[in-house]
Amino acid sequence: SQQGEEDPQALSIQEGENATMNCSYKTSINNLQWYRQNSGRGLVHLILIRSNEREKHSGRLRVTLDTSKKSSSLLITASRAADTASYFCATVSRDDKIIFGKGTRLHILP
Amino acid sequence: DVKVTQSSRYLVKRTGEKVFLECVQDMDHENMFWYRQDPGLGLRLIYFSYDVKMKEKGDIPEGYSVSREKKERFSLILESASTNQTSMYLCASSLFGTSGSYEQYFGPGTRLTVT
Repeated sequence: SQQGEEDPQALSIQEGENATMNCSYKTSINNLQWYRQNSGRGLVHLILIRSNEREKHSGRLRVTLDTSKKSSSLLITASRAADTASYFCATVSRDDKIIFGKGTRLHILP
Repeated sequence: DVKVTQSSRYLVKRTGEKVFLECVQDMDHENMFWYRQDPGLGLRLIYFSYDVKMKEKGDIPEGYSVSREKKERFSLILESASTNQTSMYLCASSLFGTSGSYEQYFGPGTRLTVT
C-alpha cells in the first residue's frame, strides 16, 4: 500500500544546478520525511517536516510541505557529484504507520 | 551515532533452504523493521517489532517470520527460501513512535540471491 509517490522517477542535471523532486500522497499525515540512498546501500534520513510546518532547511536542502495539496518538494541547491543517489519520501500517518514511496533517481552530470 | 548492522552484505542460498538474516542496533531503539527493496517497487515492509518478543505483520509477511528475543536484535527468517525472495533486505530501527519521532536508521542491506 504505497502512499508517497515521487516525481520524477529519474532526473539528470548538471553539477551546480538545483534539483527539485516532488512527493504526493493521499491521506492525512503527521509528518513527512525524505531519505537518500546511495547505490547498493541503506537509506539515510535527511529531513523531517511536520504537518504544521510549511518549510524546512538543512544545509543545501530545502523541503516544503503543502497539506492542502498533499504534496511535498525536496530542493537540493548547487548540486554536487556526491548528490547522485535515489531519494525517497516517506509519510507517517497519525497512527504512526510509515510508508515509503518508490523514489527518484538523481544523477548529477560532471 | 546510531549504528545498525546486518550480518551479511551478500548471501547466496539454494531453494528450500532456511535462511536467517540478522540485524543489530546499538541505540536502544524500541522499534525495529524489516523491508525488502525491489526495482520499481520501492521499499515494502515485511515485519516490524515495537518491543521484545512483539511482532507485527507488514504489507508482505508471507513466506517470512521474525524473532526478537533481545531489544537490540531482530532476525528475519525465510523458512523455505524461494527464487521470488531474491531481493535486497533492509533492516531499520527507530525510537518508539509518538507520531513526532519516527526517523528510521537503516542498516547497509543484505542482497540475497536464491538459486
